[in-house]
Amino acid sequence: IQMTQSPSSLSASLGDRVTIICRASHDIGDNLGWYQQKPGQAPKLLIYSASTLQSGVPSRFSGSGSGTDFTLTISSLQPEDFATYFCVQDSTYPYTFAQGTKLEIK
Amino acid sequence: EVQLAESGGGLVQPGGSLRLSCAASGFTLRGSWIHWVRQAPGKGLVWLSRVRGNGDIARFADSVKGRFSVSRDYAKNTLYLQMDNLKAEDTAVYYCAREMATDTLFDYWGQGTLVAVSA
Repeated sequence: IQMTQSPSSLSASLGDRVTIICRASHDIGDNLGWYQQKPGQAPKLLIYSASTLQSGVPSRFSGSGSGTDFTLTISSLQPEDFATYFCVQDSTYPYTFAQGTKLEIK
Repeated sequence: EVQLAESGGGLVQPGGSLRLSCAASGFTLRGSWIHWVRQAPGKGLVWLSRVRGNGDIARFADSVKGRFSVSRDYAKNTLYLQMDNLKAEDTAVYYCAREMATDTLFDYWGQGTLVAVSA
């Protein structure tokens, strides 16, 4: 299953609402997660099962979608949110990640 | 506190071997599933393997199947990734990560260990 994410990069300002899209080449149900990664750090799980917020993750992050189309939304950007975001499907082997979206400060 | 720590990375020649360690603390490997994920410099994440913590069940990505294998040491609560016949394209930071209890994604990750395959 191929995962495609858009945009590949995004410039936004503090307080902005941003949406990242992830598309699967086949129906994956709700078997999708979102990770945030900062330079030199391991990825951090934000969302699993397409829309379930991982414990400890701020509520400004939300996920939606099922089947082949998914979105990650950050409702109001904070300084610590500038990072790279990846979606990943865990519906079938091999798990596959999308190429990522780099979120930068405008 | 749940923690994972990878070690064993380094520089190896093409065709060589390396064994990575994933030391777990704060939980028992035996009752868990562990994933291996790698990231080439400046690139995205690539899933490699899902392994039951006792090492008896493992799935591998086609890119490493037949070259990578796993073993474990219960006493050390450590899982190992044996990497043989390494290729230049195996150069990456290798992470181990623990699968969640409620989903097949992974929540806790180690800090990663760098493997460089070069002559």
